[in-house]
Amino acid sequence: DVKVTQSSRYLVKRTGEKVFLECVQDMDHENMFWYRQDPGLGLRLIYFSYDVKMKEKGDIPEGYSVSREKKERFSLILESASTNQTSMYLCASSFRGAGTGELFFGEGSRLTVL
Amino acid sequence: QKEVEQNSGPLSVPEGAIASLNCTYSDRGSQSFFWYRQYSGKSPELIMFIYSNGDKEDGRFTAQLNKASQYVSLLIRDSQPSDSATYLCAVGFYNQGGKLIFGQGTELSVKP
Repeated sequence: DVKVTQSSRYLVKRTGEKVFLECVQDMDHENMFWYRQDPGLGLRLIYFSYDVKMKEKGDIPEGYSVSREKKERFSLILESASTNQTSMYLCASSFRGAGTGELFFGEGSRLTVL
Repeated sequence: QKEVEQNSGPLSVPEGAIASLNCTYSDRGSQSFFWYRQYSGKSPELIMFIYSNGDKEDGRFTAQLNKASQYVSLLIRDSQPSDSATYLCAVGFYNQGGKLIFGQGTELSVKP
């Protein structure tokens, strides 16, 4: 089974702190994604990466950056956390080749910024 | 801005009934279509995908796609209380890094 592991299930940070959310997948997937999920807004794509050291902005990249130094790991960085970044963050991965295009999700990281 | 729209619900159906969930999308370049189920406090899990116009059946679930109308739906037959969840419609683009764009989700409640 595909396993996508997010480093922290729950985090509480203060405004202005730098926050790292880590994601590791064990299925050799090329594509990795960071979404945030808010009530009534569904999942919104922050950043994605289709290869090591490659990154593409999603629909809401402002206030975030990402890093992908190894194929299995995709990190989301909040340079200076703000209260409007309080949310559930979901990491996902998928296979680039022939297949369904299905995304496999991690368990999520619920971030609260005070 | 690519958009995927769903009725947010909640949609309430009695046990044993057919639940019908609907989704429209704005980008005619959309190539793949997915339905995810998300239980409260859990991450989304795939239940159906469809690429071609028409119906695709898998057990109690049927996905329907109409590209001309830019419409995709999910029917759940013989609904069970365990089907109570939020259902997310997603649209995929192969030539854009495999990204999926999600709708806001429809909350389904199946009453015993």
